[in-house]
Amino acid sequence: TQLLEQSPQFLSIQEGENLTVYCNSSSVFSSLQWYRQEPGEGPVLLVTVVTGGEVKKLKRLTFQFGDARKDSSLHITAAQPGDTGLYLCAGSDQTGANNLFFGTGTRLTVIP
Amino acid sequence: EAGVAQSPRYKIIEKRQSVAFWCNPISGHATLYWYQQILGQGPKLLIQFQNNGVVDDSQLPKDRFSAERLKGVDSTLKIQPAKLEDSAVYLCASSFAPGTDYYNEQFFGPGTRLTVL
Repeated sequence: TQLLEQSPQFLSIQEGENLTVYCNSSSVFSSLQWYRQEPGEGPVLLVTVVTGGEVKKLKRLTFQFGDARKDSSLHITAAQPGDTGLYLCAGSDQTGANNLFFGTGTRLTVIP
Repeated sequence: EAGVAQSPRYKIIEKRQSVAFWCNPISGHATLYWYQQILGQGPKLLIQFQNNGVVDDSQLPKDRFSAERLKGVDSTLKIQPAKLEDSAVYLCASSFAPGTDYYNEQFFGPGTRLTVL
């Protein structure tokens, strides 16, 4: 089982601040996805990164896949209360059943 | 487009009782997944179906958990008998099909929150 460790586990910041969430593993993944999950709902896909070193932007969110495809980061600029939620990274190894291995999660709270 | 449907949304049972969850995936999605998400953790895959066949059930506690997808569409997940440590959210997800959907993008239902007393 591939393990994905996320840090920090919890993050509470003021509206307007910037933050970075990290997702690290000793395993290589063919692709990595970031999801956001709100209370009482299932995770919703934000982005998929495939190429080592790839950077993708989604409005105020910037996602980067590590050069070795073992780690990833999510940077949020000028956080807003609507960004509050559980952020999950998930890696795909593209072998066998092509399953996703989810990280431990980062719970973000943005205070107005 | 309708999303992944799950029912019930909440279930409270006593230990040693049985419980079943139902999932209806997005129309046309061949692959269906059941995950267990314990509070404060990321989802853990229990079983993956492609059409009506099991692709991976290596993480499914087969002494008490069972799942089926008889007609390749809807699926049920059953726990019998339940233990206290089974308290979790059970998520169902679907994807078009690994191999054809290179990035294996999965779409999740809202989950069933199970509390075992």
